[in-house]
Amino acid sequence: QVQLQESGPGLVKPSQTLSLTCTVSGDSLSSGNYYWSWIRQHPGKGLEWIGYIYYSGTTYFNPSLKSRVTISVDTSKNQFSLNLNSVTAADTAVFYCARAKGSDNYLHSFDPWGQGTLVTVSS
Amino acid sequence: QSALTQPASVSGSPGQSITMSCTGTSSDVGSYKLVSWYQQHPGKAPKLMIYEDNKRPSGVSNRFSGSKSGNTASLTISGLQAEDEADYYCCSYAGSSTWVFGGGTELTVL
Repeated sequence: QVQLQESGPGLVKPSQTLSLTCTVSGDSLSSGNYYWSWIRQHPGKGLEWIGYIYYSGTTYFNPSLKSRVTISVDTSKNQFSLNLNSVTAADTAVFYCARAKGSDNYLHSFDPWGQGTLVTVSS
Repeated sequence: QSALTQPASVSGSPGQSITMSCTGTSSDVGSYKLVSWYQQHPGKAPKLMIYEDNKRPSGVSNRFSGSKSGNTASLTISGLQAEDEADYYCCSYAGSSTWVFGGGTELTVL
């Protein structure tokens, strides 16, 4: 049973870089069967897809965040990471990592999800 | 890329059926058979309930069903139960390897 767990600082200062790591257990990032995603949820709001990465390092991002986002993968640790730079209070959110899965040559859903971690941007 | 539109809230009594909508555009919902639905209880992570418009993952009750017409997808829950009270989010592939979610619908079981 695959499980994902987010980790990282819960408080980040404005203009700095938000960095989170997702540790995957029960599945290997190197299996090549999935993409590995970051999704956030502003307090009391809806979900926002940030981007995802394939084990090879191929990445895709939400166009609205693309200029500030980096996602990387460390297959030796079975982890993938998110960096979001130049953060402001508007980036305060719960950040989830999730596995993007599909059939044949396309993805169709996000499952499962990590428990989420709240990151607050404040001085 | 704009968020999909969902009603803020819907409600129903135990045993009843409810349907909630998710409206997108011809660039996302209307173009791909890739709408998924997620259930989120307070303080918990979202859980996949429907994928590819109308498919149920193993372990999800058959009381949950999905459908789509044009640019609007729908989630129907039949035989409403107290445990169904949660927030529900739709999601659609939006082309160019990007995805868009809806703002969520709060389901209240009266």
